[in-house]
Amino acid sequence: NAGVTQTPKFRVLKTGQSMTLLCAQDMNHEYMYWYRQDPGMGLRLIHYSVGEGTTAKGEVPDGYNVSRLKKQNFLLGLESAAPSQTSVYFCASRSGPSYNEQFFGPGTRLTVL
Amino acid sequence: SQQGEEDPQALSIQEGENATMNCSYKTSINNLQWYRQNSGRGLVHLILIRSNEREKHSGRLRVTLDTSKKSSSLLITASRAADTASYFCATEETGRRALTFGSGTRLQVQP
Repeated sequence: NAGVTQTPKFRVLKTGQSMTLLCAQDMNHEYMYWYRQDPGMGLRLIHYSVGEGTTAKGEVPDGYNVSRLKKQNFLLGLESAAPSQTSVYFCASRSGPSYNEQFFGPGTRLTVL
Repeated sequence: SQQGEEDPQALSIQEGENATMNCSYKTSINNLQWYRQNSGRGLVHLILIRSNEREKHSGRLRVTLDTSKKSSSLLITASRAADTASYFCATEETGRRALTFGSGTRLQVQP
């Protein structure tokens, strides 16, 4: 099992450009999450999904959109990138809502110039 | 806002010593989890403690939970250089479907 994978690993964007980050998991998990990690801030939840076709906002959703068209994939989109979105993005998944651990991907390092 | 706040922010110890990290949180929780992150990598789950548990062990890890004080501690015994990493607590609030992570403790174990 590959677990949780993320593509790309690194990306540099110019202000105003758009991009999509892909998260894939092969554990048949229902719940998937997107976090961003900034120095000294820990992880902050951007959006999450509790099943195929569902999405919900987290703590810091502005500037991001998500889609969960297939159970195994969770896409994070930046429509018009801003320097404030420079961060490391982590995807995670877990099997159910409570008393379950989260499995994390390796992260995507995004720089917006 | 951060639910869990770890203390200290950074900790440096010698190999063989014990390392203790603390986490405080604000609301009612179902469980609290600890994760480890090596530099430049994703987080890895270490241990989960339910709100009705007071202490839990896993290998060299010991976690305590005091719901009356809304705090938890992670003890790593006989630390090794390979334990060098950042450690995060994460809380699952009652009724929420996502974990909330603290800002982490950076542990440096000197060989």
